[in-house]
Amino acid sequence: ETGVTQTPRHLVMGMTNKKSLKCEQHLGHNAMYWYKQSAKKPLELMFVYSLEERVENNSVPSRFSPECPNSSHLFLHLHTLQPEDSALYLCASSQQGGVHEQFFGPGTRLTVL
Amino acid sequence: KNEVEQSPQNLTAQEGEFITINCSYSVGISALHWLQQHPGGGIVSLFMLSSGKKKHGRLIATINIQEKHSSLHITASHPRDSAVYICAVRFRGNEKLTFGTGTRLTIIP
Repeated sequence: ETGVTQTPRHLVMGMTNKKSLKCEQHLGHNAMYWYKQSAKKPLELMFVYSLEERVENNSVPSRFSPECPNSSHLFLHLHTLQPEDSALYLCASSQQGGVHEQFFGPGTRLTVL
Repeated sequence: KNEVEQSPQNLTAQEGEFITINCSYSVGISALHWLQQHPGGGIVSLFMLSSGKKKHGRLIATINIQEKHSSLHITASHPRDSAVYICAVRFRGNEKLTFGTGTRLTIIP
């Protein structure tokens, strides 16, 4: 148990669907991250929230829309995705500022048909 | 350019062997992380270090700041060590982590 949970663990969606990924951390952290992991590629940082404000948007297409309602929860809203968006989406959390360890969730395996 | 390179990309060994995975980076860092990713995707942080050496059970991580190089060693390897091992660094002046492509380790009984 890492203290960071993600739901759902697996998601299959069509290109016209709208779905959301959820991340929750129970570690008292104040920074949360979304990463994308595609086959045979390094993890790619998508978004960073620090103290519930978005501080990083790594040139991610607008069909991905993050939301951080409080320091414990992070969502990734998905709409009109493409098959190349199929990947493992990982959430992580840490204390903000300085050099702190990031704790990862189990990931959501997304398949876009 | 801020880069992280890992070697080897794939490693297969017999149970009990001593394992070494390498990570090199291009410029000065404030911290280096070793992560373990099991099939199914979940990532576990093994070590965070900025100098010297750390040990946890059968795992040892070392870093040479002058040579911009880190190694992860596994002693008395076991099939349950089979996973992808990922090196990630925080380059100085940048709070983001930059990840290597990972080393896929398979330990055969």
